[in-house]
Amino acid sequence: KNQVEQSPQSLIILEGKNCTLQCNYTVSPFSNLRWYKQDTGRGPVSLTIMTFSENTKSNGRYTATLDADTKQSSLHITASQLSDSASYICVVISGGSYIPTFGRGTSLIVHP
Amino acid sequence: DADVTQTPRNRITKTEKRIMLECSQTKGHDRMYWYRQDPGLGLQLIYYSFDVKDINKGEISDGYSVSRQAQAKFSLSLESAIPNQTALYFCATSDPGGELFFGEGSRLTVL
Repeated sequence: KNQVEQSPQSLIILEGKNCTLQCNYTVSPFSNLRWYKQDTGRGPVSLTIMTFSENTKSNGRYTATLDADTKQSSLHITASQLSDSASYICVVISGGSYIPTFGRGTSLIVHP
Repeated sequence: DADVTQTPRNRITKTEKRIMLECSQTKGHDRMYWYRQDPGLGLQLIYYSFDVKDINKGEISDGYSVSRQAQAKFSLSLESAIPNQTALYFCATSDPGGELFFGEGSRLTVL
């Protein structure tokens, strides 16, 4: 069964600090992996996409990594801002069915 | 205007009532999805459709039905609502690369 596990479940940091969120997956065959940001009560919005051949990709203060061998991804947030407070969801697309498999998300709270 | 529009945004109803949540999109995507979100459980797939007249069950389809009336429209029905269907429901489309585009959500409360 395809699964996506995220850690930690929740995280509290001070404004200006960095943090790293983790995603482990068992989806096979693999097509791509995306990180989404979901503000409270809103629909998720895509931050980054990682394909099999990519190791690192940045989008502003967000940097995603992918290790396809160990089936792990991380999302690093640099110099956090209050607006980064949200749920971050890891989604893996299967290369067979193209059905997305969702992680449960990491709830990030940034305190001033 | 939003690319994926859900109506209603909020609905309170009573047990055993029939409810329909509607979704329309202007993205031109063939693939559409309905998800349910409960606190702490993430997004769960209810139904998905890869084309008009293509309907597939997701992981939690019991108690729900869908209709894909056109490429742009995908509606979710609860034939006889029950309290544990109280949740936030999201419609989404996806492009050929798999990027999902979500609506703003429909919050349903069943009393």
